[in-house]
Amino acid sequence: KAGVTQTPRYLIKTRGQQVTLSCSPISGHRSVSWYQQTPGQGLQFLFEYFSETQRNKGNFPGRFSGRQFSNSRSEMNVSTLELGDSALYLCASSLGLAGLGDTQYFGPGTRLTVL
Amino acid sequence: AQSVTQLDSQVPVFEEAPVELRCNYSSSVSVYLFWYVQYPNQGLQLLLKYLSGSTLVESINGFEAEFNKSQTSFHLRKPSVHISDTAEYFCAVSSVRSQGNLIFGKGTKLSVKP
Repeated sequence: KAGVTQTPRYLIKTRGQQVTLSCSPISGHRSVSWYQQTPGQGLQFLFEYFSETQRNKGNFPGRFSGRQFSNSRSEMNVSTLELGDSALYLCASSLGLAGLGDTQYFGPGTRLTVL
Repeated sequence: AQSVTQLDSQVPVFEEAPVELRCNYSSSVSVYLFWYVQYPNQGLQLLLKYLSGSTLVESINGFEAEFNKSQTSFHLRKPSVHISDTAEYFCAVSSVRSQGNLIFGKGTKLSVKP
């Protein structure tokens, strides 16, 4: 089976712009979660989608949003970019809800740089 | 709030030496425990996990971890490391309290020297 794929792998934006990142989960997986990784804060949970519904959300401002499509592919959007949004954004997929102990499989990430 | 503490941010070790990467978690409910590894410029790869049952879990590449409920620990060990084990290792916990999503430690950078 193909793993989790994320596009694009690298992105450079300027402050104030918006950005959309894409994630395709492993075939058959219905849950997609997003994480932000920075040197200072480490890995932090953004949100989880299951069957096109947001099931859980981390402690991030409303500028961060996401959605999931009927084929389980997911996108996350960040509006009004700030310098502090520079990070590696990781997507993870699992068969069912992560709360049941399902293993989350991670993609390679999208490296976002905000100038 | 639930948390994970990785006690060492960096661990240098010589090739073929044993290594232990320490992880402690705080939770008063049942937890699932994971170790992930991240190689440079890559995403996270699952190394091993504890869900229930035997407290000692093993990975296919020689790592093992032991769940200790009384000490709320899940330390990762390998009896003999290779240069290729150089990477960053993350301990993570999920539970009903975290609504299942992973709470990560800050990571431990393992550097294996020849």
